[in-house]
Amino acid sequence: KAGVTQTPRYLIKTRGQQVTLSCSPISGHRSVSWYQQTPGQGLQFLFEYFSETQRNKGNFPGRFSGRQFSNSRSEMNVSTLELGDSALYLCASSLNRVEVNNEQFFGPGTRLTVL
Amino acid sequence: DAKTTQPNSMESNEEEPVHLPCNHSTISGTDYIHWYRQLPSQGPEYVIHGLTSNVNNRMASLAIAEDRKSSTLILHRATLRDAAVYYCILRDVAGKSTFGDGTTLTVKP
Repeated sequence: KAGVTQTPRYLIKTRGQQVTLSCSPISGHRSVSWYQQTPGQGLQFLFEYFSETQRNKGNFPGRFSGRQFSNSRSEMNVSTLELGDSALYLCASSLNRVEVNNEQFFGPGTRLTVL
Repeated sequence: DAKTTQPNSMESNEEEPVHLPCNHSTISGTDYIHWYRQLPSQGPEYVIHGLTSNVNNRMASLAIAEDRKSSTLILHRATLRDAAVYYCILRDVAGKSTFGDGTTLTVKP
């Protein structure tokens, strides 16, 4: 079974631009979560989508948004990019909605650099 | 949100046991403790999780203090492939995860 795939793997943008990242979960998985990883802040939860609905949201500004399609694939969008948005963006999928005791499967991430 | 505290780095010799500590003094009664590890250039992967009782699986053991304010991930025989950043995570009833800063484990041959 194929793992979680994220595209693109690397991306370079300039300040003020917007970017869209894509995540395809493991086949049959219905939940997709997004995380931001930076050297300074570590791993931080962005949001979770389940059945095309945002279930949970972390403490990020409204410039960060996402959506999920009927086939469970998810996209994350960041508008008006800032230098501090440079990070590794990780997507994780799980069979059902994330609960206290189930496992998440992470993709390799998209490395975003903002110049 | 509850927080976790981990040592920045630890070293181990190959084939010896490794005990990775995590403090989570503000854990709530319903938070689960999860451990994930991240190998270089990869996303995190699941290791183990638990609530109150000690847990074992094929990868590791998780020892949880009686007051749940700390836990220890135990790798019984470290191999070179276990070199990674290990994250102690609290997962709440809403399904939100709070990651610690992680411990970088170096395994020496």
